This record gives sequence, structure tokens and C-alpha cells, in this order.
Amino acid sequence: AQSVAQPEDQVNVAEGNPLTVKCTYSVSGNPYLFWYVQYPNRGLQFLLKYITGDNLVKGSYGFEAEFNKSQTSFHLKKPSALVSDSALYFCAVRAALNAGNNRKLIWGLGTSLAVNP
Amino acid sequence: GAGVSQSPRYKVAKRGQDVALRCDPISGHVSLFWYQQALGQGPEFLTYFQNEAQLDKSGLPSDRFFAERPEGSVSTLKIQRTQQEDSAVYLCASRGTGQQETQYFGPGTRLLVL
Repeated sequence: AQSVAQPEDQVNVAEGNPLTVKCTYSVSGNPYLFWYVQYPNRGLQFLLKYITGDNLVKGSYGFEAEFNKSQTSFHLKKPSALVSDSALYFCAVRAALNAGNNRKLIWGLGTSLAVNP
Repeated sequence: GAGVSQSPRYKVAKRGQDVALRCDPISGHVSLFWYQQALGQGPEFLTYFQNEAQLDKSGLPSDRFFAERPEGSVSTLKIQRTQQEDSAVYLCASRGTGQQETQYFGPGTRLLVL
């Protein structure tokens, strides 16, 4: 079965410290992996994706993520957290082809990031 | 505006009422997705269009849910005889060709069924 796990409901970090939001996945075939951020009463904003190539992917707002095939992980990282990074973060993986060939995304349950001043 | 737009942003309905939710995708985007996001949960896939063709509706929870995209642009998600369990945020996303799978989301419609 295809799935995404975000093992932490909430992550707390002090401003200026590095942050990590964890994601592991299970999907058949080569995974396409995504991170999105959701601010209150806002839609999902695309942060970054891994399709192929370098395992370290750089995205918006200074975020990066590292694809680890052996551990089936795609953790989101940032070297120095900002208070404005506080939001809900979702990891998603593209599902394998189905009859509709729609490439629908399978989502984790989200991790709430709180950056304390 | 270059992004995905959705209307209304908020909708309160009495149980049993029909509602219609609108999505305007990014101009030229071929693919359009609808998701349902319950409070504290991740999005759950509802249905997918490629142009005007609805290629996958496997996520629609019941036959009360219906989606259309008659001209391959604007899409409408209709919920008939709404129930309290339909209360959620309904998200629309579009995706162009040659963009390696990235879906771009609208702000969502928050539906509350009383």
C-alpha cells in the first residue's frame, strides 16, 4: 500500500536553531516527493520536490530536503528557523500509475511547526 | 491573478441543502484535482480531470458528490443533500504540462454543515 508517514504531530524549535520535519514514505516504483506548507486559513503552498538527481533538494524560503532511498525518507530541513516559519507542513508522494493515470498525491497527516522567539 | 482561485471561501449550509463549490485553475493548466481536508488531517483525493474528462472519481465519498469541468477550465464540485460529515475544507489544485507533477493549490472553500 502506498502511504506517507509524518511521525511528529508537532515540532518546537527556537528561532535561529536548525529544524527538521520528518517524513517517510511507501510507494511502488520511483517516488516523486513533495513538501507543502499551509498557513492558517490559506491553501497549500508548494515548497520543494524531489523527482530525480541530487538527493539534496533546495526549495523556497531557505528550506531543503534530503531524499534517502535506503531509509525511504524525505526529511525537511532549514539551517536557521524563523518565527514566520510557524505553520503546518505536509509531505506528499506521487502515487503509482492507475487506470486514470492521474498522478494523484498521497499525503501525510501534517506536522505543526512552532518556532519560538 | 495567476494562481488558483476558489469560491466561495466560506459556506454554511443547513443539513439537506445542496452546495456548489467553484474552482478557477491557473490558465492553461490541463489537470485539475479536488481534495477534501478534514480538520487536523491531510488532504484526501476526491477526483481528477484532464481537460474536460473526469479520469478518476474514485475518491468521491458517495453519490451525493458530483464534479464537472465542461469546458476544460473552471470546475464545480457539487454536494447534494449535505450531511454534517461533509464539513471540511475543499481544496482545488491544478497542474500544467511539463511541470513535473507540481500541483498548485487554491485557498480552499471551508464548508460547515449545520
